[in-house]
Amino acid sequence: GAVVSQHPSRVICKSGTSVKIECRSLDFQATTMFWYRQFPKQSLMLMATSNEGSKATYEQGVEKDKFLINHASLTLSTLTVTSAHPEDSSFYICSAGRGENEQFFGPGTRLTVL
Amino acid sequence: GENVEQHPSTLSVQEGDSAVIKCTYSDSASNYFPWYKQELGKRPQLIIDIRSNVGEKKDQRIAVTLNKTAKHFSLHITETQPEDSAVYFCAASPPLFSGGYNKLIFGAGTRLAVHP
Repeated sequence: GAVVSQHPSRVICKSGTSVKIECRSLDFQATTMFWYRQFPKQSLMLMATSNEGSKATYEQGVEKDKFLINHASLTLSTLTVTSAHPEDSSFYICSAGRGENEQFFGPGTRLTVL
Repeated sequence: GENVEQHPSTLSVQEGDSAVIKCTYSDSASNYFPWYKQELGKRPQLIIDIRSNVGEKKDQRIAVTLNKTAKHFSLHITETQPEDSAVYFCAASPPLFSGGYNKLIFGAGTRLAVHP
């Protein structure tokens, strides 16, 4: 159990366009999901916490108008990178929370902005 | 907020040797400490975790120890194998009452190389 999927796995887009990434918990309900960004050879940096039916909580320094998060159901959260620029190129990983603390990660989305 | 430091950043061992990775955390209220293994381009995989009411936990070749007084915890891998080569991340989870929402704060990672 505790399977999390993420789509797409890779996306290449032009500068100025928007990209939507989906994160789904396949076999459990997740009241809370998390979005991370990981640059090459670096750690996972938490961007925001997504709560079903309420507004996301963003970490300091993360622009909420640029990284739009929607958590419409207990199994789906989406991250939209708006007006993407080359510096937004990164590996974006979601996780779904289960129980009090456990997090299970999706396979990640590699975003390349040209 | 919580801050997690992890050492060493790289670790190279011979197959069969033991490997130890250490982390320290700053928030004494943190109560959950997972370890993740991440292979290149893949998702982090939970390999072992420990809660603040336990001092040690073992699962086959992997063990984690927690010293709450000193605010540090360690990952021990015995009889290392080449397939253990990966990046390992520790994390700490502040409790809900501090507004943590179960979030995890990650260490910088340790790149482990096990040589045959």
